Amino acid sequence: KQEVTQIPAALSVPEGENLVLNCSFTDSAIYNLQWFRQDPGKGLTSLLLIQSSQREQTSGRLNASLDKSSGRSTLYIAASQPGDSATYLCAVPLFMYSGGGADGLTFGKGTHLIIQP
Amino acid sequence: NAGVTQTPKFQVLKTGQSMTLQCAQDMNHEYMSWYRQDPGMGLRLIHYSVGAGITDQGEVPNGYNVSRSTTEDFPLRLLSAAPSQTSVYFCASSYGKNEKLFFGSGTQLSVL
Repeated sequence: KQEVTQIPAALSVPEGENLVLNCSFTDSAIYNLQWFRQDPGKGLTSLLLIQSSQREQTSGRLNASLDKSSGRSTLYIAASQPGDSATYLCAVPLFMYSGGGADGLTFGKGTHLIIQP
Repeated sequence: NAGVTQTPKFQVLKTGQSMTLQCAQDMNHEYMSWYRQDPGMGLRLIHYSVGAGITDQGEVPNGYNVSRSTTEDFPLRLLSAAPSQTSVYFCASSYGKNEKLFFGSGTQLSVL
C-alpha cells in the first residue's frame, strides 16, 4: 500500500527565508504528485501538480520537484511571507492500475508552516 | 462560479441518526470524490465517481453510501451514524481523474 510521509511535521521560520518541505512515497510507480495548501478551518487548495514524466513545476515563488526513482518530492518556497503560513500536504494516486491510470489520492499528514513577521 | 459547495458546514448527530452531506460543483467536472480528515490520520478517500451513474469505493467506504444522478451533485449518506464517523468531511472534484483537484470548504460532523 502506498504510504506518504512528510518531514518536518512543523516548521517555524522568520519572514524572508527560503525553505524546503519534503515528501516521500513508498511506491515509485506514481502517475503524478500534487502539493496542496490548507488554511485553518478551510478546504485544500491545489498548488502544483507534477506529472510522472516531469522533473519540476513552478508557480510564482513555489517550485516543486519530483524524483520518482528515489520516491521523493520537494516544495521550495522562495522569500517566505507571513501569508504563506498554512499546512502543506502532498498527495499521490491511491489506486494504480496495471493497464494505466489511477484513482483517488493518498495524502501525507502535512507540514505545518509558520512564517514569523 | 462558486466552485465546490458543501452543506452544511457544521452538524451534530446522535448515534444511529441518518443524514446526507451535500456536495455540488458548477465547473462541469466529471470526477468527484469524498474524503474524511482526522487528526493523526490525514485525509482518506471514502467514495469517488468518474461520472454520472458511476461510483466506486475508496479506502474507508464502510458506513457511507453515495450516488451520482447528475454531473453537478455527489451527496454522501450516513445511514446510521456512529461516534467513529466524527470527522471533517471534504468533497472534491476535477475535470478528469488525474487532474488538479478542487476542494469544498468542508463539513465538520460530530456524532455523540
